[in-house]
Amino acid sequence: GESVGLHLPTLSVQEGDNSIINCAYSNSASDYFIWYKQESGKGPQFIIDIRSNMDKRQGQRVTVLLNKTVKHLSLQIAATQPGDSAVYFCAERENTDKLIFGTGTRLQVFP
Amino acid sequence: DTAVSQTPKYLVTQMGNDKSIKCEQNLGHDTMYWYKQDSKKFLKIMFSYNNKELIINETVPNRFSPKSPDKAHLNLHINSLELGDSAVYFCASSQDWAGGISDTQYFGPGTRLTVL
Repeated sequence: GESVGLHLPTLSVQEGDNSIINCAYSNSASDYFIWYKQESGKGPQFIIDIRSNMDKRQGQRVTVLLNKTVKHLSLQIAATQPGDSAVYFCAERENTDKLIFGTGTRLQVFP
Repeated sequence: DTAVSQTPKYLVTQMGNDKSIKCEQNLGHDTMYWYKQDSKKFLKIMFSYNNKELIINETVPNRFSPKSPDKAHLNLHINSLELGDSAVYFCASSQDWAGGISDTQYFGPGTRLTVL
């Protein structure tokens, strides 16, 4: 069946360093990908998305990279801050189907 | 201003009871969703409505019944609650249905349901 997974369940980084959160997906027909951030006790918050006709998309301090050849998605956070501490989810979708979420990676930022 | 709101935030109830969770969005979106997040943080869609019409109905027990009185509201009613229903339930909304120009989903704060 379809699956979206993450390589690392927990990522610890020092404040100011760059963070890279990885995600592998299995459905080669997926054409839309999205990253969400979920802080403790809150709902998922949209960070950035990318469609399959792109390899890279940048936002404010965040960059999403898509490698369709190996079905890999990554979220890069520049100059990680304590406020970036959260669980990060990738999700994929094929055409007009539902979003399928990955299992999540917890990002811990240390001073 | 709360974009997607849910009530209640916490719900503790006994097995066998019937309960409802309400969701409202003031974003003017056409599509609304219900998700369930289990204790391992796994997030899975349950239902989706577009313009009050049911679009997605995942493999969910028929004890769960969504109701959309209008585009801004999507409520979730659960009959005969079971222990396994304990989870955090999230409502979300998007301007368009999947594949539309504005299909980004915005989530509510969640309702933590605990069944004793």
